[in-house]
Amino acid sequence: QSALTQPRSVSGSPGQSVTISCTGTSSDVGGYNYVSWYQQHPGKAPKLMIYDVSKRLSGVPDRFSGSKSGNTASLTISGLQAEDEADYYCCSYAGSYTGVFGTGTKVTVL
Amino acid sequence: EVQLVESGGGLVQPGRSLRLSCAASGFTFDDYAMHWVRQAPGKGLEWVSGISWNRGNIGYADSVKGRFTISRDNAKNSLYLQMNSLRAEDTALYYCAKDTYGEYRTFDYWGQGALVTVSS
Repeated sequence: QSALTQPRSVSGSPGQSVTISCTGTSSDVGGYNYVSWYQQHPGKAPKLMIYDVSKRLSGVPDRFSGSKSGNTASLTISGLQAEDEADYYCCSYAGSYTGVFGTGTKVTVL
Repeated sequence: EVQLVESGGGLVQPGRSLRLSCAASGFTFDDYAMHWVRQAPGKGLEWVSGISWNRGNIGYADSVKGRFTISRDNAKNSLYLQMNSLRAEDTALYYCAKDTYGEYRTFDYWGQGALVTVSS
């Protein structure tokens, strides 16, 4: 149950696109389509943004999109906005009724 | 409106026990799996444990296996986490989270968390 690997930080100017990678193994990300992405603002509880790899939760702006290739999942934020500045975590089912989160990525809007 | 309210956190000495509770409302509790997720101060999220709608499936992170026990009382719309043999590294904000299905899938609603501090 090692944490999934995410870049520590990514940044972009308003209107630009950023992509966050989430690398696991064939026992988690690569083995199941149960990858989700969470946004967490400081002092707040995490908020589900993307589930089942690429499905957007109702109410989440369509500038957020998810995908997966092999053992790596990705979250792309297109048209970056100031309110997107937050920490983002991926999470995957890892078999035997267990889950594993990513190491987390801080998104900075320049 | 879905609400998850954790309670039972506090300061506890290493080696002692603590029981967290999560009171759920605003949805049909016994239709959904439930989970505990923790976050150490200034650190990332860690999935701790999950339980299916009918308690048929239960899972634990390796870091807590054998020390923590998850349970639920569907009649009381409540989720619990019994934490034994606590260690300093268990210090964290513990979130209760609702799944989107009766079995493990993803977490769509979260509580505000209960802080557990393990220190002598």
